[in-house]
Amino acid sequence: GDSVTQMEGPVTLSEEAFLTINCTYTATGYPSLFWYVQYPGEGLQLLLKATKADDKGSNKGFEATYRKETTSFHLEKGSVQVSDSAVYFCASNSGYALNFGKGTSLLVTP
Amino acid sequence: GAVVSQHPSRVICKSGTSVKIECRSLDFQATTMFWYRQFPKQSLMLMATSNEGSKATYEQGVEKDKFLINHASLTLSTLTVTSAHPEDSSFYICSAAQGIATNEKLFFGSGTQLSVL
Repeated sequence: GDSVTQMEGPVTLSEEAFLTINCTYTATGYPSLFWYVQYPGEGLQLLLKATKADDKGSNKGFEATYRKETTSFHLEKGSVQVSDSAVYFCASNSGYALNFGKGTSLLVTP
Repeated sequence: GAVVSQHPSRVICKSGTSVKIECRSLDFQATTMFWYRQFPKQSLMLMATSNEGSKATYEQGVEKDKFLINHASLTLSTLTVTSAHPEDSSFYICSAAQGIATNEKLFFGSGTQLSVL
């Protein structure tokens, strides 16, 4: 079945460092791809999404490009802030529901 | 954005008791709600999909008599873990779909950490 694999954390970065969180997917069709973020004590929030190959989702300085040839949707940010500390989940849709990766915890230190 | 309230955020119970978790959409009507379960360092796994006024659809391997789901109104779905055992200890999270669901119209609760002693 469809699945999502993302890099294991935790990831610890200094403020203003470059961030990459890898995500790859397997799917029988052409899923939409998502990144969700969960800040401490809060629910999951949609960060960005892409619905077809070569689409780039972007929000709050984060970007991810839907790469069909490598079945990837890596999350990047050029300069992270302390407030970006959270758990990030990559997900693909399987009809209505979502398939999630295991989550990657990010800690940004001042 | 829309708000989904999930309660309680944390519950500790004795083995053999039942625990109810509530999921409410506070400012929209949710025709469909989803229940996920997450073990430590694992993915969120879809347990069931519930539509208001009808029986929930459970994913393969999820015991419907163990995990009772009720979606009696457009703003409330409940998950009851019956006769809980330590292996039911997990993080449970709900999501609610606003209107005709597209994935960006899914809103998540903050989750419930269940610990069964």
